[in-house]
Amino acid sequence: QQQVKQSPQSLIVQKGGISIINCAYENTAFDYFPWYQQFPGKGPALLIAIRPDVSEKKEGRFTISFNKSAKQFSLHIMDSQPGDSATYFCAASTAGGTSYGKLTFGQGTILTVHP
Amino acid sequence: DGGITQSPKYLFRKEGQNVTLSCEQNLNHDAMYWYRQDPGQGLRLIYYSQIVNDFQKGDIAEGYSVSREKKESFPLTVTSAQKNPTAFYLCAATQGSGSEQFFGPGTRLTVL
Repeated sequence: QQQVKQSPQSLIVQKGGISIINCAYENTAFDYFPWYQQFPGKGPALLIAIRPDVSEKKEGRFTISFNKSAKQFSLHIMDSQPGDSATYFCAASTAGGTSYGKLTFGQGTILTVHP
Repeated sequence: DGGITQSPKYLFRKEGQNVTLSCEQNLNHDAMYWYRQDPGQGLRLIYYSQIVNDFQKGDIAEGYSVSREKKESFPLTVTSAQKNPTAFYLCAATQGSGSEQFFGPGTRLTVL
């Protein structure tokens, strides 16, 4: 019930195209859903995050779509650029209790954007 | 320059040895975490600490130990009981639930 399932495992997109990565969760207590971007040999960095009270959040070329009833959320990267080539992780956490910000991560998606 | 520092960047260990990975933060965040990253498996939680002198096991704590004597420091010891320690280790910190979790640059541990 604590798992977050992420797909696809890898994704190849042409420059200017749209990259879409999907995640699904089971634990209905999750109430914070961040996406992280990681370049090879570096630590992950927060890209964008959403809470379940909204269905969509956009920051620049990056958009999170959230479907509470389906327990799914996705990351859309518009106008994908070669510099976006990285590994992307979705994650989820619950507020309060003993969790204190403990994140459950998806398995990651390796995105390659061809010029 | 605020953030999280991890050292060393690369670490080599002989079988049977204990090694300690350093993690220091100057963000004044209460909670700190250690994750292990293996190819194709995402990030798995080893240990986490909410306050000084207190810590909890994560999903894969066996073969690891931690301490939290100071708010800014959360070292991880990989003991000889960890049978497959070769991995990329990441330290993180956050102010609390629903807040951004900041990651360090990582330590790559290789067992020779």
